[in-house]
Amino acid sequence: EVQLVESGGGVVRPGGSLRLSCAASGFSFNDYGMNWVRQAPGKGLEWVSRINWSGDSARYADSVKGRFTISRDNAKNSLYLQMDSLRVEDTAFYYCARRDSSASYDYWGQGTLVTVSS
Amino acid sequence: QSALTQPASVSGSPGQSITISCTGTSSDVGGYNYVSWYQHHPGKAPKLMIYEVSYRPSGVSNRFSGSKSGNRASLTISGLQAEDEADYYCISYTTTTTSGVVFGGGTKLTVL
Repeated sequence: EVQLVESGGGVVRPGGSLRLSCAASGFSFNDYGMNWVRQAPGKGLEWVSRINWSGDSARYADSVKGRFTISRDNAKNSLYLQMDSLRVEDTAFYYCARRDSSASYDYWGQGTLVTVSS
Repeated sequence: QSALTQPASVSGSPGQSITISCTGTSSDVGGYNYVSWYQHHPGKAPKLMIYEVSYRPSGVSNRFSGSKSGNRASLTISGLQAEDEADYYCISYTTTTTSGVVFGGGTKLTVL
């Protein structure tokens, strides 16, 4: 059974940092590109970042570029999101999602809540 | 503003059918057969319901179906059940964004 389990969320002050993790199991992790998607309170889903299977190619939404860094450790079946210079508008549930060959996100985690507040 | 346009809300009574639309452009919905639909209950993991316009993943009820005409994709839910009440999102492949996809703004389905 495919499972994605996020962790690392919490409350942080503006300007602070957090590192999110996503533990993957039930599939060959290094065969898939992985993504982070977030949902702010009362808003829809917003793509945040993606990384290819090997970890040598990453992309970011303009809203987080230069502040967030995506990475992965295929030996540990884990995906990460380092979030620096956090802003109030980064408050959201953060989901990791596996993207398949048909450009759909076929598995998602349950999310971890990041709250940026003074 | 989301790249794909969805109605903010739809509603229906148990047993009825509803359709949620997802309107894009020839650069996304109209240009590729890579539209997917997701069901999201608050606090839970989003769930893939339809991929490649009209295919259902294993385990998804056949009450859910997808279609596309031009730049508009649709998700139809027949025989509405209380458990179908959720937010629904469409996503389309595109070559015009960094992410390679565009998201709809989401539709809140209420089962009356």
